[in-house]
Amino acid sequence: QLQLQESGPGLVKPSETLSLTCTVSGGSMSGGTYYWGWIRQTPGKGLEWIGSISYSGSTHYNPSLKSRVTLSQDTSKNQFSLKVTSVTAADTALYYCARHDAAALGTSPFDHWGQGTLVTVSS
Amino acid sequence: QSVLTQPPSASGTPGQRVTISCSGSRSNIGTNYVYWYQQLPGTAPKLLIYRTNQRPSGVPDRFSGSKSGTSVSLAISGLRSEDEADYHCATWDDSLRGWVFGGGTKLTVL
Repeated sequence: QLQLQESGPGLVKPSETLSLTCTVSGGSMSGGTYYWGWIRQTPGKGLEWIGSISYSGSTHYNPSLKSRVTLSQDTSKNQFSLKVTSVTAADTALYYCARHDAAALGTSPFDHWGQGTLVTVSS
Repeated sequence: QSVLTQPPSASGTPGQRVTISCSGSRSNIGTNYVYWYQQLPGTAPKLLIYRTNQRPSGVPDRFSGSKSGTSVSLAISGLRSEDEADYHCATWDDSLRGWVFGGGTKLTVL
């Protein structure tokens, strides 16, 4: 059974870079043609798509975050990662990694999710 | 402010039928499939409805989705206590070139 697990610091200082990694188990990232994505959740704004990376490494970002976000993947480790630069308190959220259920980004919903990791931006 | 608009809360008594709405625009709901996620307390969202009105295996037929123009609805019939959760709608937006979500609706079973 496919499982995803987020990892990374739970506390990040303002203006610094938030870095999270998602480790995939129970299946190989390179064994299929899927997109892998990041979503965050705040009490006030609900769920927000951050971006997704394809099996071939192509990336797609939320236009509102694009200037500060970078996605990457290391299929040899079955991991993909998120970096958000110049963070502020507004980036405080529960961050989820997830898999799209197919290779077409716009028609592939997230079918497997990690449990989420809380990241707080504070000095 | 979410791109898709949902009521923040909904409620019903056991056995009742409840509907949750989600409204958008031509570039998102008006053009693309809509997906619904159920988020039980303290857990990650789970795909509940895909392609506007299809249920993944294991989802009871008490849950159904429908669409009219630039709005969609999630209906839950025979409401049960275990249905108490947050429900989120989602779709692709052709103008934004990205996934958009509703703000979520908290369903309370009285």
